[in-house]
Amino acid sequence: SQQGEEDPQALSIQEGENATMNCSYKTSINNLQWYRQNSGRGLVHLILIRSNEREKHSGRLRVTLDTSKKSSSLLITASRAADTASYFCASIQGAQKLVFGQGTRLTINP
Amino acid sequence: DAMVIQNPRYQVTQFGKPVTLSCSQTLNHNVMYWYQQKSSQAPKLLFHYYDKDFNNEADTPDNFQSRRPNTSFCFLDIRSPGLGDAAMYLCATSRPDRDYEQYFGPGTRLTVT
Repeated sequence: SQQGEEDPQALSIQEGENATMNCSYKTSINNLQWYRQNSGRGLVHLILIRSNEREKHSGRLRVTLDTSKKSSSLLITASRAADTASYFCASIQGAQKLVFGQGTRLTINP
Repeated sequence: DAMVIQNPRYQVTQFGKPVTLSCSQTLNHNVMYWYQQKSSQAPKLLFHYYDKDFNNEADTPDNFQSRRPNTSFCFLDIRSPGLGDAAMYLCATSRPDRDYEQYFGPGTRLTVT
C-alpha cells in the first residue's frame, strides 16, 4: 500500500523560481527520504530527515518535517532546467522496505 | 566507482516467452530490491533479499521470481510475460546502518510484443 501522498502531482515553474512539493504519510516513521528520478532513469537519493529533526538543508534543497501533521515538504530554491524530474518521498515501512509516494513531476521552463 | 548495474537496459520479449533481468552491485550491500514502475507511477516493490532471506510482497504475481546466488548479483525472472508486464524494472540496494537509503540502478525497460 502507498505510504505517502504527494502534492501537487505536477508543477511547472520558470527557471529561477522556487519549487515546493509536499508529502503526507500515514504511519509513524523513523525517517523520511526524498528521491529524484530523471525521465527513464533510476531514482537518486537526495536527502533524509529523521523523525527528531524539523528541518534540513543540502545545497539548494530544504526539507521540513512535521510529525504531528505527518507531512514533509521539499523546497528547491533558484530552480534550474536540470531540476526537471519527478520527485518522490519515501519512508520505511516494516523491515527494510521503503514505500514511495506517488511523486511530483516538476518542469522548469527556461 | 561503486554502483548498481542493470543489464540489459532495454529488453524486448514475446508474450509468454520467459525473460531474465539481471542486477549486480559493487557496494557490498546486504539488501537488494526489485521494483516495477509503470509510466507516471511510483515504483512498486516486488520483492527484496536481506542477505539470503527472500521477502515477497503479498501482491506480487507468481509469474515473477527472483534469485540471489551471491551478495553481488540478483536476478528477476518473469516466467510468462504478459502485455501488462511491460514496464521499467528497477533494482536497488541498501544497508541497515545507513537507514536503508537506497541506491538504484538505471533500470531495464521491458517491452512485451
